[in-house]
Amino acid sequence: GAVVSQHPSRVICKSGTSVKIECRSLDFQATTMFWYRQFPKQSLMLMATSNEGSKATYEQGVEKDKFLINHASLTLSTLTVTSAHPEDSSFYICSAGTGAADGYTFGSGTRLTVV
Amino acid sequence: DAKTTQPPSMDCAEGRAANLPCNHSTISGNEYVYWYRQIHSQGPQYIIHGLKNNETNEMASLIITEDRKSSTLILPHATLRDTAVYYCIARSNDYKLSFGAGTTVTVRA
Repeated sequence: GAVVSQHPSRVICKSGTSVKIECRSLDFQATTMFWYRQFPKQSLMLMATSNEGSKATYEQGVEKDKFLINHASLTLSTLTVTSAHPEDSSFYICSAGTGAADGYTFGSGTRLTVV
Repeated sequence: DAKTTQPPSMDCAEGRAANLPCNHSTISGNEYVYWYRQIHSQGPQYIIHGLKNNETNEMASLIITEDRKSSTLILPHATLRDTAVYYCIARSNDYKLSFGAGTTVTVRA
């Protein structure tokens, strides 16, 4: 089945630094990828939709200059959390799909801790 | 996407069938019903989806009412590994999946 690899699985960074998270579709081409954030004991919140070769579409309230998304190829999307602060500490999850009416495959998530 | 309503939690016995309800009374004709589950600290796992017909796969069965206003996910023989948060989502053609609070299912031995 379709596999999405997300890296790193855990990262600790200092306040003010930037962190890049990668999301790769390993055995299929993903025309669309999604980025979610999940705080403890809460549900997943959609942050943005990225389409290969075009600008990402951000959900209301998500700062596009803080959460930079690049979807440069059909198998890779990256999320960069710029100038991270402790309140950005969260579980970040990506998902990928071909755009057809089938299920999207999710990555295993990245636990970001900003100290 | 149509709003879905699920019970916040439910317990079920290992080896028995688990029936997870979902209400989506405002679902539109082109919205599919998707079910995902999330085991603690992992990414969500796709279970099944359907439009109006009942569906079955190796993981579960999905029963959608004729008026499409509600559905039930059936795990035929629950195991301890099925303990997770289960999400019912109505997805439209913009392909976005918006997650609600889900149902926390605890399978007990």
